[in-house]
Amino acid sequence: GAGVSQSPRYKVAKRGQDVALRCDPISGHVSLFWYQQALGQGPEFLTYFQNEAQLDKSGLPSDRFFAERPEGSVSTLKIQRTQQEDSAVYLCASSLLAGVADTQYFGPGTRLTVL
Amino acid sequence: EDKVVQSPLSLVVHEGDTVTLNCSYEVTNFRSLLWYKQEKKAPTFLFMLTSSGIEKKSGRLSSILDKKELFSILNITATQTGDSAIYLCAGTAMRFGAGTRLTVKP
Repeated sequence: GAGVSQSPRYKVAKRGQDVALRCDPISGHVSLFWYQQALGQGPEFLTYFQNEAQLDKSGLPSDRFFAERPEGSVSTLKIQRTQQEDSAVYLCASSLLAGVADTQYFGPGTRLTVL
Repeated sequence: EDKVVQSPLSLVVHEGDTVTLNCSYEVTNFRSLLWYKQEKKAPTFLFMLTSSGIEKKSGRLSSILDKKELFSILNITATQTGDSAIYLCAGTAMRFGAGTRLTVKP
């Protein structure tokens, strides 16, 4: 595709529900990143994939957060038993090269609101 | 712990003004500093800086990195209302600053 796409664009969940957020990176991009962006803040790193391998998940705030990229392309971020503090925009970005120093291309984000 | 600090947090100027945005960083295994512009949606790439003292330019925007003092600046000359956005810097992919919110008034 022409760019990184994310779905859904908006998600409203009741507290305690599970949600799944999808990211389609640019075709051929090796690296994929997930970020959480709260209002008025910069993106906070969650996790990083190089192809299908999750090389860094140090930013995941709790064990309720889980991410996968089983075939090295599409990735899913799952949040179990959502809580109000999970409300944020979740951004996905991909970059062509392996590693963390390359230019990232961001998707439009998924705005999650937990009631 | 890695950190990236941007200043000022917000800035209001008038069209035609020149602005300088600051980014200081403490990042282990530093390799590059990146600047992004974020309007209503996703951040869009502006510059990647890897070498000290070499200015990168794109139209009215320019940026430079000082690896000795661990900071970078982003300059915007002859600002326009379309420059209104949040400007983010990142020391490697994982660590973003909080951003500078620039508002350019007509």
